[in-house]
Amino acid sequence: GDSVTQMEGPVTLSEEAFLTINCTYTATGYPSLFWYVQYPGEGLQLLLKATKADDKGSNKGFEATYRKETTSFHLEKGSVQVSDSAVYFCALTPGTQGGSEKLVFGKGTKLTVNP
Amino acid sequence: ETGVTQSPTHLIKTRGQQVTLRCSSQSGHNTVSWYQQALGQGPQFIFQYYREEENGRGNFPPRFSGLQFPNYSSELNVNALELDDSALYLCASTPTPDVPPGEQYFGPGTRLTVT
Repeated sequence: GDSVTQMEGPVTLSEEAFLTINCTYTATGYPSLFWYVQYPGEGLQLLLKATKADDKGSNKGFEATYRKETTSFHLEKGSVQVSDSAVYFCALTPGTQGGSEKLVFGKGTKLTVNP
Repeated sequence: ETGVTQSPTHLIKTRGQQVTLRCSSQSGHNTVSWYQQALGQGPQFIFQYYREEENGRGNFPPRFSGLQFPNYSSELNVNALELDDSALYLCASTPTPDVPPGEQYFGPGTRLTVT
């Protein structure tokens, strides 16, 4: 079945460091890919998305490129801030026709950014 | 602020009891999904409702059931609670088809503890 594997955490960085969180997926059809973020005490929020191969999603300085050949969707940010401390989830919506629009999530990567 | 609210925030139940969790979505959000998030894990899809009909179900037993109402509220019911049902339960809504599949608005969740 469809699945998402993402880098195990936790990840601890200093402010202004470069961030990469790896994500790979297994899916039939043509999935859409997402990064969701969960700030402490809050619900999940959509961070960025990509719906087809070679699309680049971007938001708040974060970027991820849909790589079909490597089945990957790695999250990157050039300079992290303390306010980026959160848990990041890679997810997909299966590309099969019909059925529900369920999200399949990875296990999450906790990021802590120190001043 | 996603406009999705859930109640209660926290709940403690005893094994074997039944529980009802509630979710209220924004007007026009005609798709609602429920997820179970165990500690340290990513959310797992339970089921989805579209216009008050079940529209997909994950790998959860029949003692997990749901309802969606015309006023954009919904319920998750769990019978015969087990210790492994202890988790954060997330409700997510979507204004289908106004946004692409996978773009879901999450509530803050209900933390259920089964003792």
